[in-house]
Amino acid sequence: QKEVEQDPGPLSVPEGAIVSLNCTYSNSAFQYFMWYRQYSRKGPELLMYTYSSGNKEDGRFTAQVDKSSKYISLFIRDSQPSDSATYLCAMSALRQAGTALIFGKGTTLSVSS
Amino acid sequence: DAGVIQSPRHEVTEMGQEVTLRCKPISGHDYLFWYRQTMMRGLELLIYFNNNVPIDDSGMPEDRFSAKMPNASFSTLKIQPSEPRDSAVYFCASERGGPSNQPQHFGDGTRLSIL
Repeated sequence: QKEVEQDPGPLSVPEGAIVSLNCTYSNSAFQYFMWYRQYSRKGPELLMYTYSSGNKEDGRFTAQVDKSSKYISLFIRDSQPSDSATYLCAMSALRQAGTALIFGKGTTLSVSS
Repeated sequence: DAGVIQSPRHEVTEMGQEVTLRCKPISGHDYLFWYRQTMMRGLELLIYFNNNVPIDDSGMPEDRFSAKMPNASFSTLKIQPSEPRDSAVYFCASERGGPSNQPQHFGDGTRLSIL
């Protein structure tokens, strides 16, 4: 079993929909959880990060971590066509410079206008 | 401030040829990472450097792969000889040292095709 599992999709939604993206993981040592967004033919860019369990909100985006279930989610409210991208979850046991990140394979999202 | 710069953006070459990928990290960043992205395996760390010194190369697939960082502003990833299974997008990322919560900044990748 891979350490981080993520449904590749694709996921297609109409503009304005609420989107839920999810990852599961097996390593209970993971404490820092990140979501990266990757546009076509571009490198990943950090969208949000959270530490341990709980929720974190940033505008239309909410990251949620449930360590007891080893499950993390990213919710996008009022989705826009500009949100169309691949979303990668990433995690690590430590959050200090130079820590290797373990990535999910990514979920491709398409938001139609 | 310029981001991470990778070259070339695309490379198509025949099996057996040597391939050299280049990366210029963000100025002032202490860490440099090389990743490989494929549909099958996703984004995988190959090797990373701290202050130009290789720290962990456990992700390098085999001896055909080598990476160097001769100075703080330049790194190369070399494949010799190349094989079709090396076809992938190769990303370089850099990160500033010091306090936590500093994200890794990725370049736009080199799309490598080995025929």
